[in-house]
Amino acid sequence: QQQVKQSPQSLIVQKGGISIINCAYENTAFDYFPWYQQFPGKGPALLIAIRPDVSEKKEGRFTISFNKSAKQFSLHIMDSQPGDSATYFCAATMQFAGKSTFGDGTTLTVKP
Amino acid sequence: SQTIHQWPATLVQPVGSPLSLECTVEGTSNPNLYWYRQAAGRGLQLLFYSVGIGQISSEVPQNLSASRPQDRQFILSSKKLLLSDSGFYLCAWSVGDRASGYTFGSGTRLTVV
Repeated sequence: QQQVKQSPQSLIVQKGGISIINCAYENTAFDYFPWYQQFPGKGPALLIAIRPDVSEKKEGRFTISFNKSAKQFSLHIMDSQPGDSATYFCAATMQFAGKSTFGDGTTLTVKP
Repeated sequence: SQTIHQWPATLVQPVGSPLSLECTVEGTSNPNLYWYRQAAGRGLQLLFYSVGIGQISSEVPQNLSASRPQDRQFILSSKKLLLSDSGFYLCAWSVGDRASGYTFGSGTRLTVV
């Protein structure tokens, strides 16, 4: 199974709140899990990524939590800001496979 | 540093006309290259990817084709555009020898009229 399931499809959060986006995968051969942020009219940009040998990675307000046994990973945005309003994509990659499998995206709106 | 160039930024083409979108990467060698299409408000649909010169894998049977004439050049083409070809086309590259993230270009907004 190559599918990556992402939820929710859309998310509205108040400024200062925590935004949480979840992804699940089936193929245990995936070994790299990036998150991308896309603003309207722009290409997605790599935000943060994790490998399955760690359970958490934090960069500033952005944290990836990874649960290898459950085959799930999530993005947490702490102290969410209106500037974080964007579409977020999770992905899963296999070494030497030549391509990533993307989730369908989550549109985040942070209300001031 | 590595950069990716994609052009044009916007394009309006009549149905039945040809298409050529070009993408080039600088600052790296032997990258994996990708073409994605994104419909309005939708996810990323992989169209083609390439792990080397002349090596093209097609993900979706369609009206489009891709070529990689040089190591860091990736071209998306069509002989005759359809209305359904409208969308946001994104080129991306990744490191060729290990699992890594993608660097996307700025995209081309194609409208077929």
